[in-house]
Amino acid sequence: DAGVIQSPRHEVTEMGQEVTLRCKPISGHNSLFWYRQTMMRGLELLIYFNNNVPIDDSGMPEDRFSAKMPNASFSTLKIQPSEPRDSAVYFCASSLTIGNTIYFGEGSWLTVV
Amino acid sequence: AQKITQTQPGMFVQEKEAVTLDCTYDTSDPSYGLFWYKQPSSGEMIFLIYQGSYDQQNATEGRYSLNFQKARKSANLVISASQLGDSAMYFCAMREDTGRRALTFGSGTRLQVQP
Repeated sequence: DAGVIQSPRHEVTEMGQEVTLRCKPISGHNSLFWYRQTMMRGLELLIYFNNNVPIDDSGMPEDRFSAKMPNASFSTLKIQPSEPRDSAVYFCASSLTIGNTIYFGEGSWLTVV
Repeated sequence: AQKITQTQPGMFVQEKEAVTLDCTYDTSDPSYGLFWYKQPSSGEMIFLIYQGSYDQQNATEGRYSLNFQKARKSANLVISASQLGDSAMYFCAMREDTGRRALTFGSGTRLQVQP
């Protein structure tokens, strides 16, 4: 079975550019999570969805960040405009329901120069 | 307040020996889950083991076991018969079943297995 699929795996972009990260959760999973990992702050939850509805976006750092889940098999995390401090690994994860084990994608490594 | 604490930034273990990675947690929720994930140098997050707060027995998955001491609020990971491929970062995480029902992670422990 396919796991959580993220794209792009690596992205280098210039400050001020828009960045869009994409995620396809495991088929049949109802909950989707976006995490960010940095050396300074570790793994932080940005936002999570249940049945395509955003449940908790309190971790989204500022208005430059937005996330959508238009259907059960696709989600995007957008940063506009990007800044160097956004450089991090962004993980998408999914679970069968809110209470179940969360499975992670391989991450999107973002560098903003 | 720190909800998940991993006090060992780094650990060394000899190949074939057992190692314990410490994790303590803080919650007032009576229902919660505890998880361990492995992150090798390639970067992916690999689920290892899960323990529910109401589970009577300690969880085991192959060479991994979770030493769950509820009164002490600790959920230590025990890896038996360490292998070179076990060298990685290990993260403890907790999910509270009320309120914010998503994983909160500790800062991680880097394990190095020496031949």
